[in-house]
Amino acid sequence: SAVISQKPSRDICQRGTSLTIQCQVDSQVTMMFWYRQQPGQSLTLIATANQGSEATYESGFVIDKFPISRPNLTFSTLTVSNMSPEDSSIYLCSVLATGAIYEQYFGPGTRLTVT
Amino acid sequence: AQTVTQSQPEMSVQEAETVTLSCTYDTSESNYYLFWYKQPPSRQMILVIRQEAYKQQNATENRFSVNFQKAAKSFSLKISDSQLGDTAMYFCAFMVLKTSYDKVIFGPGTSLSVIP
Repeated sequence: SAVISQKPSRDICQRGTSLTIQCQVDSQVTMMFWYRQQPGQSLTLIATANQGSEATYESGFVIDKFPISRPNLTFSTLTVSNMSPEDSSIYLCSVLATGAIYEQYFGPGTRLTVT
Repeated sequence: AQTVTQSQPEMSVQEAETVTLSCTYDTSESNYYLFWYKQPPSRQMILVIRQEAYKQQNATENRFSVNFQKAAKSFSLKISDSQLGDTAMYFCAFMVLKTSYDKVIFGPGTSLSVIP
């Protein structure tokens, strides 16, 4: 299993500013994912962040808006840049364990409100 | 493209009763995993149950079981003896096993309320 922590757990930010969300895993993992979840909605994948390579972004998400770092096998950051109220959401970090079985673990999420 | 559909946005069940949540998916792949995740109000995603597509036997975890119909691309979740703590959003999810492109696709979710 993997235990994931995220910082901050929540934040209120002003329009036009940027916020960096940190994700820390208690074990080394290759694949990390960043999701966005609007209230009452499902999870939307923003990007896949593998250590040692550039993040792969899903359609509708671009690196300039959501830059991601993955400096090692236990840590990643997601920055939400030049924020607008439409960026208000929950941002979830996730890792995929690919041993004998495939299992995805999630962090507790970061609730972002942009005013 | 792979898609996951959950046709029941909201459901309710009396405590101690049984409820079934529906899920269908679409893929041309033959090797994949299916999952049910639970997200209570605390918003922590919790894996409820997992099914490998190559296994014909339906997965079971205590009060939770699935009905996996591969030909019909159906993957329903049955919750027996429902408890108040089962109140949550339930997401059906799907992952194709490709070494260069492993990612999980989530359905829209079903909000389940267990009524005392």
